[in-house]
Amino acid sequence: EVQLVQSRAEVKKPGESLEISCQGSGYRFTSYWIGWVRQMPGKDLEWMGIIYPHDSDTRYNPSFEGQVTISADTSISTAYLQWDSLRASDTAMYYCARPQGMATLNWIDLWGQGTLVTVSS
Amino acid sequence: QVVLTQSPSVSAPPGASVKLTCTLNSGHSSYAIAWHQQQPERGPRYLMTVDSDGSHNKGDGIPDRFSGSSSGTERYLTISSLQSEDEADYYCQTWGPDIWVFGGGTKLAVL
Repeated sequence: EVQLVQSRAEVKKPGESLEISCQGSGYRFTSYWIGWVRQMPGKDLEWMGIIYPHDSDTRYNPSFEGQVTISADTSISTAYLQWDSLRASDTAMYYCARPQGMATLNWIDLWGQGTLVTVSS
Repeated sequence: QVVLTQSPSVSAPPGASVKLTCTLNSGHSSYAIAWHQQQPERGPRYLMTVDSDGSHNKGDGIPDRFSGSSSGTERYLTISSLQSEDEADYYCQTWGPDIWVFGGGTKLAVL
């Protein structure tokens, strides 16, 4: 089965660091871009950035550049979204998603189940 | 920069049909889009793509009640024979060089 499985929910304090993960299975992980999408409580979907695991080519939405780091480990077919210093405003559900075509950035046809990140003192 | 605009909400009774609209901004009438459904407390699910010529291509397991069409800069998702489980947020999505773009979503109430 082709799927993206994300890490569990996290509760963190402001200023702490965090890395959440997204493991792909059932397909050639290195051949597809993987992106991250934020959904703040009660709000819309926002594209954060995307990585091509084959060569770690990474593109960021300017709104998120410098705020998060996207990476991938091809040995375990896993993409990561990392924060060095969390803020309360980072509280959101985070989804990983894969576009339809190999080596191309087009429509999303596969979503992870989401990881809820709560940042509170 | 491509922008997608959706109406915030729509409602219809069970058994009716509803047509959701996603509008591309001027100069982007050739763009295809994808529709995604997000049921309450769940993650998004891919429904279909809709091309500028009106052709659509559905994801696996998407019922025949769901169809897509297009006119100019507008892309449509039509849901017929509405059921309670169709109550959800519906997002359109497109893509460009190095970016994904989402519309603001339409909340569909079945009541």
